[in-house]
Amino acid sequence: QSVLTQPPSASGTPGQRVTISCSGSSSNIGSNYVYWYQQLPGTAPKLLIYRSDQRPSGVPDRFSASKSGTSASLAISGLRSEDEADYYCAAWDDSLSGPEFGGGTKLTVL
Amino acid sequence: QLQLQESGPGLVKPSETLSLTCTVSGGSISSSTYYWGWIRQPPGKGLEWIGSIYYSGNTYYNPSLKSRVTISVDTSKNHFSLKLSSVTAADTAVYSCASQFWSAWDRYFDSWGQGTLVTVSS
Repeated sequence: QSVLTQPPSASGTPGQRVTISCSGSSSNIGSNYVYWYQQLPGTAPKLLIYRSDQRPSGVPDRFSASKSGTSASLAISGLRSEDEADYYCAAWDDSLSGPEFGGGTKLTVL
Repeated sequence: QLQLQESGPGLVKPSETLSLTCTVSGGSISSSTYYWGWIRQPPGKGLEWIGSIYYSGNTYYNPSLKSRVTISVDTSKNHFSLKLSSVTAADTAVYSCASQFWSAWDRYFDSWGQGTLVTVSS
């Protein structure tokens, strides 16, 4: 069972906006940056968001993220079929002295 | 752009030691900016961090695996390695290596290998 809690699934239709939540605690999200990874089927995870709300170059601005207290969320607007993937949140955990991942959310584009 | 590639046996017997190597290209493993990490993903499940190493040899491990894990680095070959001892079926997973950007407040995996499936079975 992951320390960071994500819903196991999410879905939306093309063009819609979907959000994925990530809940943690004071030892991880509450005191450290949150990162989001996108894992397309059969591929390695790709960094989507760093420093809680920053996009690496090449990541479309349809992807946005925020953090508040011990929770974070990823929003995808203008949903496309190619966004169908697993999404993972992650944060450094001061108790673990290492990175923690969420359990992942499988996004389905209907 | 860093590229990482895992190599090693895809089948390990129970109670034996799993050994994998990650070869880094497109950059030096001796970079001061990075740690180098191992992450695994059991079939159908989420990601689990195993441990990470700095080029100097400094390591830190997931406490849940620490007693069985050894990560080492060979700067002359630009690669780092994972050993996981006393494996069981629960260790069956896709094992991936990744570069871990490291600063005082920012620590994240920014380049990943494609991953290699390791099955524990007799």
